Amino acid sequence: RKEVEQDPGPFNVPEGATVAFNCTYSNSASQSFFWYRQDCRKEPKLLMSVYSSGNEDGRFTAQLNRASQYISLLIRDSKLSDSATYLCVVNMDSNYQLIWGAGTKLIIKP
Amino acid sequence: NAGVTQTPKFQVLKTGQSMTLQCAQDMNHEYMSWYRQDPGMGLRLIHYSVGAGITDQGEVPNGYNVSRSTTEDFPLRLLSAAPSQTSVYFCASRDPVTNYGYTFGSGTRLTVV
Repeated sequence: RKEVEQDPGPFNVPEGATVAFNCTYSNSASQSFFWYRQDCRKEPKLLMSVYSSGNEDGRFTAQLNRASQYISLLIRDSKLSDSATYLCVVNMDSNYQLIWGAGTKLIIKP
Repeated sequence: NAGVTQTPKFQVLKTGQSMTLQCAQDMNHEYMSWYRQDPGMGLRLIHYSVGAGITDQGEVPNGYNVSRSTTEDFPLRLLSAAPSQTSVYFCASRDPVTNYGYTFGSGTRLTVV
């Protein structure tokens, strides 16, 4: 079993729709969680951290479920510019290394 | 602009050649890492450093060396290139105090023939 698993997609979604991604992780001791966005042939960029109580940044909402060991990302009112691959990342406080999911590809269609 | 600078952006090597990928950051970040990214796989950690003079192996260190003589620079050396090292390489840095995520360089696309 992979340490961090994501549905690879692609998710084909019409503009304006709401889309949600899930990511599961295997290590229950994981402490820090992030969502990154990666555009085609570009470097990953931090989208948002994920906090225990859930957090929102504009149209983006991230949630953490420690009991079930998954994190989610919700995108509301999707834009064409949201088309990208979304990477789930998990980190243990005692470990400097991040564990990366392979990413979920999102395609927003006009 | 502040950030992580990687060079070169593209490189083609012949099997057995050696080369160094350069990485520099101007944010005074203590943590720096090298990753490789292959299709269908998550980023995999090659080597990392938690400060000048300190380096350690990641998940896939074989065939690569690193050094960290200054806070700013973290070069990655391919000792004897193999086709299996064809990949996109990313250097990244992070400030452990703020615990923000990593800032990445723009990547090096390496092909070994």
